[in-house]
Amino acid sequence: GQNIDQPTEMTATEGAIVQINCTYQTSGFNGLFWYQQHAGEAPTFLSYNVLDGLEEKGRFSSFLSRSKGYSYLLLKELQMKDSASYLCAVRDTGGGTYKYIFGTGTRLKVLA
Amino acid sequence: DVKVTQSSRYLVKRTGEKVFLECVQDMDHENMFWYRQDPGLGLRLIYFSYDVKMKEKGDIPEGYSVSREKKERFSLILESASTNQTSMYLCASSLARIPPYEQYFGPGTRLTVT
Repeated sequence: GQNIDQPTEMTATEGAIVQINCTYQTSGFNGLFWYQQHAGEAPTFLSYNVLDGLEEKGRFSSFLSRSKGYSYLLLKELQMKDSASYLCAVRDTGGGTYKYIFGTGTRLKVLA
Repeated sequence: DVKVTQSSRYLVKRTGEKVFLECVQDMDHENMFWYRQDPGLGLRLIYFSYDVKMKEKGDIPEGYSVSREKKERFSLILESASTNQTSMYLCASSLARIPPYEQYFGPGTRLTVT
């Protein structure tokens, strides 16, 4: 079946580093995405991994291991504005079509 | 900048009413999607479309239908609204052939069915 798991909630301190994990099981795979969603707003794209390894983009990095069905989003030098939900999503190509499967999201609280 | 707009931010309808939610994107994206988002359940795919007049069922299509007559517009129709369709509805679009295929989301429509 199709399944994406990520922690429901995490808390971290301003200036710290936090790692949000995501594990997935899908029938096909054509990329893993991370989105940020502030309360009451639409999700916005953060990162995309299709090959194994680390992709770095400023304070945010995302890692993928396809053999393990595992990804993480690393946020460095946390700021208060990073308080948001972080959604892990997989582009699933199983069944001859493709669609995006989302996890339920990890709500991150950044404390002063 | 890609822009995805939705016809309403907030909508209140009565049980049994027919409801139309419209989504328009301005970047010539081939793919368009309708999701609903509920606490603890995340984003769930209702329908998606690869091209004009094409549609595919997502994970929870029951009680919904869609229409895509023009490339930029994707409509979600609730044939007979029910209280369990109270939710946040999000439309998204993406390119089909050029990675990273990220989705651009509209601001959402919070629908309440009473």
